[in-house]
Amino acid sequence: SYVLTQPPSVSVAPGQTARITCGGNNIGSKSVHWYQQKPGQAPVLVVYDDSDRPSGIPERFSGSNSGNTATLTISRVEAGDEADYYCQVWDSSSDLWVFGGGTKLTVL
Amino acid sequence: EVQLVESGGGLVQPGGSLRLSCAASGFTVSSNYMSWVRQAPGKGLEWVSVIYSGGSTYYADSVKGRFTISRHNSKNTLYLQMNSLRAEDTAVYYCARASSLERFAFDIWGQGTMVTVSS
Repeated sequence: SYVLTQPPSVSVAPGQTARITCGGNNIGSKSVHWYQQKPGQAPVLVVYDDSDRPSGIPERFSGSNSGNTATLTISRVEAGDEADYYCQVWDSSSDLWVFGGGTKLTVL
Repeated sequence: EVQLVESGGGLVQPGGSLRLSCAASGFTVSSNYMSWVRQAPGKGLEWVSVIYSGGSTYYADSVKGRFTISRHNSKNTLYLQMNSLRAEDTAVYYCARASSLERFAFDIWGQGTMVTVSS
């Protein structure tokens, strides 16, 4: 089955840029989605189809995907961005959805 | 308002059964791909199952043969029948819509319902 690998944690100071990676075999050929989850809450979609943002998501959230790595970039990080972030793909060849293990973003 | 509301969680003994429900409003369940996603305490998200608009169903290996996803079109409700429950099935269960407009990303999530499997 398809595996997505994320770093367990990323730390960044307020106002700086956070980059969270998601590794997978030839992930650049797939559509990658990113979710933000704060404690006790349901996940929220922040980036879909590699780099598109749902309405209401700040432009500070962006994404890219190439080769074996997809990246979620959060610019001008704020304290409120502190959360767990998950990447996800739909493996259409097997009709399975796959999540990465999640990355805890800490704002110093 | 577009929303999903889960219900049916609770405490069940190992080997027991439980049926979760997910009531949708603001859109039609049968016209969308609908999924269940779970999260064990302190762990990450795990996709569980999907039902396509055409009715096809798919499952994660961890639940195949034990869980059944279905929907009731007139009630606009999604279900997850869980049998032969194990301790490792303990989790918050979310229902979610996979949006065709967003390359099947999960754009709408319910608030989750807790399932605890323990004797």
